[in-house]
Amino acid sequence: KAGVTQTPRYLIKTRGQQVTLSCSPISGHRSVSWYQQTPGQGLQFLFEYFSETQRNKGNFPGRFSGRQFSNSRSEMNVSTLELGDSALYLCASSWTSGRASEQFFGPGTRLTVL
Amino acid sequence: AQSVTQLDSHVSVSEGTPVLLRCNYSSSYSPSLFWYVQHPNKGLQLLLKYTSAATLVKGINGFEAEFKKSETSFHLTKPSAHMSDAAEYFCVVSDEIQGAQKLVFGQGTRLTINP
Repeated sequence: KAGVTQTPRYLIKTRGQQVTLSCSPISGHRSVSWYQQTPGQGLQFLFEYFSETQRNKGNFPGRFSGRQFSNSRSEMNVSTLELGDSALYLCASSWTSGRASEQFFGPGTRLTVL
Repeated sequence: AQSVTQLDSHVSVSEGTPVLLRCNYSSSYSPSLFWYVQHPNKGLQLLLKYTSAATLVKGINGFEAEFKKSETSFHLTKPSAHMSDAAEYFCVVSDEIQGAQKLVFGQGTRLTINP
């Protein structure tokens, strides 16, 4: 079974631009979560989607948004990029969305904002 | 709110010696706890999870963790370190808000293995 895939793996943007990251979950998984990883703040939860509905959102500004499609693939968008948005963005998928669900992570997209 | 504290930011051991990575949690109900490992430039891999079954949890690659409610701890151990164990390890508690899961990560412990 293929794992979680994320595209692109690396991205370089300049301040003020917007970016869209893509995540394909493991086949059959309906929940997709996004996390931001930075050296200073560590791993922080961005949002979670289940059956095309955003069910949970972390403490990030409205510039960060996402969506999920009917095939469970998810995209994350960041508008008006800031230098502080440079990070590794990780996507994780799981079969369900309960507290004991096991999340499987993709390799991440490394975003650099210049 | 659920939270975890990893007590050591960096642990260094010699190959073949035991590994102990410490984690304390805070939870208002019976928690679901996980340990994940991240090798350089890689995503996160689940080592093991505790979900209120047996308190001693065995994971992959010889790792295990013991849930101790009285001490609110979930320390990760391995009897004998291998060079390939060098990585960043994250203790994680699962929170649930309106039926949706949210993982709360500790700050991580970098494990170095000396030959």
